Amino acid sequence: NAGVMQNPRHLVRRRGQEARLRCSPMKGHSHVYWYRQLPEEGLKFMVYLQKENIIDESGMPKERFSAEFPKEGPSILRIQQVVRGDSAAYFCASSHKYRRAGRYNEQFFGPGTRLTVL
Amino acid sequence: GQQLNQSPQSMFIQEGEDVSMNCTSSSIFNTWLWYKQDPGEGPVLLIALYKAGELTSNGRLTAQFGITRKDSFLNISASIPSDVGIYFCAGPPYSGGSNYKLTFGKGTLLTVNP
Repeated sequence: NAGVMQNPRHLVRRRGQEARLRCSPMKGHSHVYWYRQLPEEGLKFMVYLQKENIIDESGMPKERFSAEFPKEGPSILRIQQVVRGDSAAYFCASSHKYRRAGRYNEQFFGPGTRLTVL
Repeated sequence: GQQLNQSPQSMFIQEGEDVSMNCTSSSIFNTWLWYKQDPGEGPVLLIALYKAGELTSNGRLTAQFGITRKDSFLNISASIPSDVGIYFCAGPPYSGGSNYKLTFGKGTLLTVNP
């Protein structure tokens, strides 16, 4: 009965390198969300994806950041040419398909990937 | 953007004491959520509130959705050491469509002294 899985749990990159963060949603969930948490801050929404579709990427920086959720395999959050300001915890959450308009559908969070940029 | 103001920022209490924390917003929320985050882990949902005035309990935890829809509080009764962690309020602001886009407060760090 696996929950949301994220790997790696910790990732260290030097400035200018690429970071790839992976997320496998809970079994039966087809909706994935990525959030970023800076030290001593709450989580901030980045992007919402369904299989093969980006639904809302309004919280994701326009440059260097991209996300995908392919038909097969985990969701990937990719950060190109990382900078020190990208150091944060990145959380993935997943949910069932929305069945009731206007009603929040519980998002289950993974343990996060802590990215450190040297 | 939407902001949630959570208070207090931190609390240091003795085991057995009751705890109260709250969250306010300048805009209306249609759902209020309370999460707990343990060190090195992701947030876990404790209580979800869907209607103004709603009062909901989960064991020793009780939360209420404010009548104005701009605030919520969480109470923990008879605290125990495992209550230690960061408590976040969160919700999708009333926007008519994006009820998946959670806004989080900055959290209340709770420390319980055995």
